[in-house]
Amino acid sequence: DQQVKQNSPSLSVQEGRISILNCDYTNSMFDYFLWYKKYPAEGPTFLISISSIKDKNEDGRFTVFLNKSAKHLSLHIVPSQPGDSAVYFCAARLRLSNFGNEKLTFGTGTRLTIIP
Amino acid sequence: DVKVTQSSRYLVKRTGEKVFLECVQDMDHENMFWYRQDPGLGLRLIYFSYDVKMKEKGDIPEGYSVSREKKERFSLILESASTNQTSMYLCASSRSRDLNSPLHFGNGTRLTVT
Repeated sequence: DQQVKQNSPSLSVQEGRISILNCDYTNSMFDYFLWYKKYPAEGPTFLISISSIKDKNEDGRFTVFLNKSAKHLSLHIVPSQPGDSAVYFCAARLRLSNFGNEKLTFGTGTRLTIIP
Repeated sequence: DVKVTQSSRYLVKRTGEKVFLECVQDMDHENMFWYRQDPGLGLRLIYFSYDVKMKEKGDIPEGYSVSREKKERFSLILESASTNQTSMYLCASSRSRDLNSPLHFGNGTRLTVT
C-alpha cells in the first residue's frame, strides 16, 4: 500500500518557467515532509522540507506547499534551470519515539526535464 | 559535510551467493537505513537501525538481514541472492538528536544478480 504517491512519472518544463511537482499521502500521522533530488549514479540529496504545522516553506527558487486537509504537498521551482533536470522524490516522516527514531517513506519519483 | 560511503558502486553476483553490502558514515549519526530503488517503485525501506546492535524491519525485509556492530557501519546481507534482488541499493544516515535532520545518502550500489 503506497502511503506516499507521486502520480506524474515525468514532467517537462521550459527553462525560465515554473515547475510544479505534486505529492499525495494517506497517513495523517506523518509530521514532516521532505523533497529530495537525485541525479543518475548519485544518491538522493536533500532539497527542502516542511513541518506539518506549516503550510509553506521557501528557500531561494524552491517553495514547498502543504495542504493538510487534502493530504497534498507540492514543490515549486521558479525559475526552472537546466541543472534542475533530475528525479525528484517526496518523502514523509513518521516519528516512532521521542528519542528521534524515525522512518521515512518515499514516493515513486518524478523525472523533471528542463528544456533549454 | 556528512559523508556516507558505500564500499562498492557496482556488484555482479550469481544466484544463491551470499552478498554483503557495506556502508560507513563519518558523522556519528545514530540512525542508519537501507533502501532499494527500482523504476516505478521509488525508494523502499528494507531495514533500519537506531543504535548499535539494534535493527528494525522496514517495508520489504524478506530475503535480507542487517548487521550493526559499530555505530558508523551498517551492513546489508543478502543470504541467498536471487534475480529479483537486482536493484540499486542506497544507504542513508541521520542524527536522532536533531529533530529535523534530513537523511544523508550514499551514492548507491548497483547490484546485478545473474
